[in-house]
Amino acid sequence: ELKVEQNPLFLSMQEGKNYTIYCNYSTTSDRLYWYRQDPGKSLESLFVLLSNGAVKQEGRLMASLDTKARLSTLHITAAVHDLSATYFCAGNTGNQFYFGTGTSLTVIP
Amino acid sequence: DTEVTQTPKHLVMGMTNKKSLKCEQHMGHRAMYWYKQKAKKPPELMFVYSYEKLSINESVPSRFSPECPNSSLLNLHLHALQPEDSALYLCASSQSPVQATIYGYTFGSGTRLTVV
Repeated sequence: ELKVEQNPLFLSMQEGKNYTIYCNYSTTSDRLYWYRQDPGKSLESLFVLLSNGAVKQEGRLMASLDTKARLSTLHITAAVHDLSATYFCAGNTGNQFYFGTGTSLTVIP
Repeated sequence: DTEVTQTPKHLVMGMTNKKSLKCEQHMGHRAMYWYKQKAKKPPELMFVYSYEKLSINESVPSRFSPECPNSSLLNLHLHALQPEDSALYLCASSQSPVQATIYGYTFGSGTRLTVV
């Protein structure tokens, strides 16, 4: 079974600062996915990283994938309050997805 | 229509009740999924339906019974649940299980279930 771990689990950051969330996985994963979840809400797809070296950016978020290191990162640039949420990464083996533990991000003024 | 619709949004049920959760999508997706998410935990896969057939059952207790009457609809029938089954139940869909690996899932907004 694919194990997916994220760190940190909790992140409190000031507006305007930069930070990175890390996602490590245990065995080969075909792809890597990032989702956002607001409290009590569903999961919103942010990025799908399809291959080694993939980098995708949307607004203040940038995700990358290093399959050799079994590592994906989600970089936050100049954080704003609206980014406060829980961020999950997920890997897959075949058709099965395995979610990471989640990173609860709070952006404070 | 690019949504997955789940009803009800909230459900409180007793341990002897029978209830059902409903999930609907009109995107032509042929794979549908049930996930269970406890507070502050990641979603856990329960069931996968592919082309209206159950393809994955992640050792879920029989008190949870999925049903896929047609390609647009997915139900989760609940009977004799325990308080520890209280959670957010998420439905998701994808064009197919293989397409899910390329595009990810589309998740519904979830049903918040409380068992008393």
